[in-house]
Amino acid sequence: DTEVTQTPKHLVMGMTNKKSLKCEQHMGHRAMYWYKQKAKKPPELMFVYSYEKLSINESVPSRFSPECPNSSLLNLHLHALQPEDSALYLCASSPNPGGGLNEQFFGPGTRLTVL
Amino acid sequence: GEDVEQSLFLSVREGDSSVINCTYTDSSSTYLYWYKQEPGAGLQLLTYIFSNMDMKQDQRLTVLLNKKDKHLSLRIADTQTGDSAIYFCAESGNDYKLSFGAGTTVTVRA
Repeated sequence: DTEVTQTPKHLVMGMTNKKSLKCEQHMGHRAMYWYKQKAKKPPELMFVYSYEKLSINESVPSRFSPECPNSSLLNLHLHALQPEDSALYLCASSPNPGGGLNEQFFGPGTRLTVL
Repeated sequence: GEDVEQSLFLSVREGDSSVINCTYTDSSSTYLYWYKQEPGAGLQLLTYIFSNMDMKQDQRLTVLLNKKDKHLSLRIADTQTGDSAIYFCAESGNDYKLSFGAGTTVTVRA
């Protein structure tokens, strides 16, 4: 299995809803990432997990809550989002946490719309 | 994005070569990458080059690196309609982060 999968593909939620995005990889990668991408812009890093521990939080608002239940799974819990949080949320994984070669493999993304 | 710059648009005729350019400022960059993003999809890693190399070729793709000028380019030979996408260059140093350029939208016309 050489891909990163993400569910759901699309999500529409109200500002009072709670929802979760899921990401899975079975490549044995030890680093996993959440990115937010607005249309026609590069991805913006949100969180990095290395060996199932949160390594980087790029000052993301607390309405986004990441979770790494095991080395293959990464979740992003959403609560009380704002319309400006509407974006494509991308998950990625890489074999080698830390410096040096950082080949990141991306999932197809979840298109989130907040009403 | 501030440390990596790319031109925003490129239009190329089918069958011609495309050249996408990128400049970066971080001299401690160890690896540089090219990613492709088709509409509605995630990013696909096309290739990467170590900062001590000056060229890497992989089928229709050729990466050139001028470390002195901090200039990176991606050449796509025999450009096809399926090559229409946004292309991001990115750099990595000694941490977990990739710094992406703004992306170059490549349009292939018949």
